[in-house]
Amino acid sequence: AQKVTQAQTEISVVEKEDVTLDCVYETRDTTYYLFWYKQPPSGELVFLIRRNSFDEQNEISGRYSWNFQKSTSSFNFTITASQVVDSAVYFCALTLETGANNLFFGTGTRLTVIP
Amino acid sequence: DAGITQSPRHKVTETGTPVTLRCHQTENHRYMYWYRQDPGHGLRLIHYSYGVKDTDKGEVSDGYSVSRSKTEDFLLTLESATSSQTSVYFCAISPGRGTSGTGDEQFFGPGTRLTVL
Repeated sequence: AQKVTQAQTEISVVEKEDVTLDCVYETRDTTYYLFWYKQPPSGELVFLIRRNSFDEQNEISGRYSWNFQKSTSSFNFTITASQVVDSAVYFCALTLETGANNLFFGTGTRLTVIP
Repeated sequence: DAGITQSPRHKVTETGTPVTLRCHQTENHRYMYWYRQDPGHGLRLIHYSYGVKDTDKGEVSDGYSVSRSKTEDFLLTLESATSSQTSVYFCAISPGRGTSGTGDEQFFGPGTRLTVL
């Protein structure tokens, strides 16, 4: 069975601090895809990144970076120099090569950036 | 932003009444999905569609049915709404680039907040 665990329910940081959101996944499949989505207070879900299981290269996009480690089944997300606009709920998700292509979501981490 | 709209955006209904939620896309994407979001559960798949008139069940499909008669529209119906179906419902689409469409990112609509009294 597939499972995504986001152990941090809520995190608060002061503006300009760095913060890492943890994501641990479980699957027996060798081919899978990992995602991060952002859900700001307005409620929509915003796609941030997609990573396949064969690409362990870390990725950086502006203040955002992602660390994918198959050895620990983790796909962590770091925000550098956090800003108030980063306040949101962040979801990690997994989908498989086979099946319905549905996303298996973690329960989310609520990040609050304090000005 | 992907062209996805959901209607209605908010609905309050009573137990036992039928409810239909609509998802409309302008992207001509092959795959469409319905998820529900509940506290402590993240989002869970209800039903999905891989083409016109091609649909299948997801993780939490009991009490729900879907239909897709056109590429752009995907309807979710609660035949007889119950209080346990109070939730926020999200539609999502994905292009389905490969033969199975797996692994594509999904783009989400704005959501429908449904309250069943």
